[in-house]
Amino acid sequence: DIVMTQSPLSLSVTPGQPASISCKSSQSLLKSDGKTYLYWYLQKPGQSPQLLIHKVYNRFSGVPDRFSGSGSGTDFTLKISRVEAEDVGVYYCTQSTQFPVTFGQGTKLEIK
Amino acid sequence: QVQLVESGGGVVQPGRSLRLSCAASGFTFNIYGMHWVRQAPGKGLEWVAVISYDGSNIFYADSVSGRFTISRDNSRNTLYLQMSSLRSEDTAVYYCAKKYEGSIFEAPDSWGQGTLVTVSP
Repeated sequence: DIVMTQSPLSLSVTPGQPASISCKSSQSLLKSDGKTYLYWYLQKPGQSPQLLIHKVYNRFSGVPDRFSGSGSGTDFTLKISRVEAEDVGVYYCTQSTQFPVTFGQGTKLEIK
Repeated sequence: QVQLVESGGGVVQPGRSLRLSCAASGFTFNIYGMHWVRQAPGKGLEWVAVISYDGSNIFYADSVSGRFTISRDNSRNTLYLQMSSLRSEDTAVYYCAKKYEGSIFEAPDSWGQGTLVTVSP
């Protein structure tokens, strides 16, 4: 199975400041079809996960442009340009290049 | 908009069976693959299974393979998860999720609110 490792596991950010979460996979996520199946989700307190980014850098419908994804191969990053209070929750990176689909441990974002 | 409503959760004894359902609306159910993902209390997300739009391709996590069966009824816009030989470690909130458009390898883009399954004597 592909292991997804996130860092940090928690971060506390002042509103308006940037935040960055790293995700590393144990194998390359580039598939033979040329696509990299790396996703980012946010699970707000008491809610279901919601998709932020699909296939490394594509923002899902309705996701604010302060969220951006980057990376390739085994190293990926989610950046929030200016954190807002509504961004609190747990962020998960996820790969589906190879079954089973695997998730990172989650990164808890809190507001200072 | 996409709506996914899970049902069928509850308290069940170890070794028994349970069937979860997920009623889908707001999108053309019969052209999208679907996932089940679970989350143990206070823990992270764990993928369970995926089924293609027509049921012809199915994949399971090793932890449930041979015990759980994912299926769908496109005439009823409903996804199912038949769970048997349940164990305490199967205790979790079970989410059904719509697969992002494209290949079977796309991850979920929309999630239901989940249904809690508790396996306890």
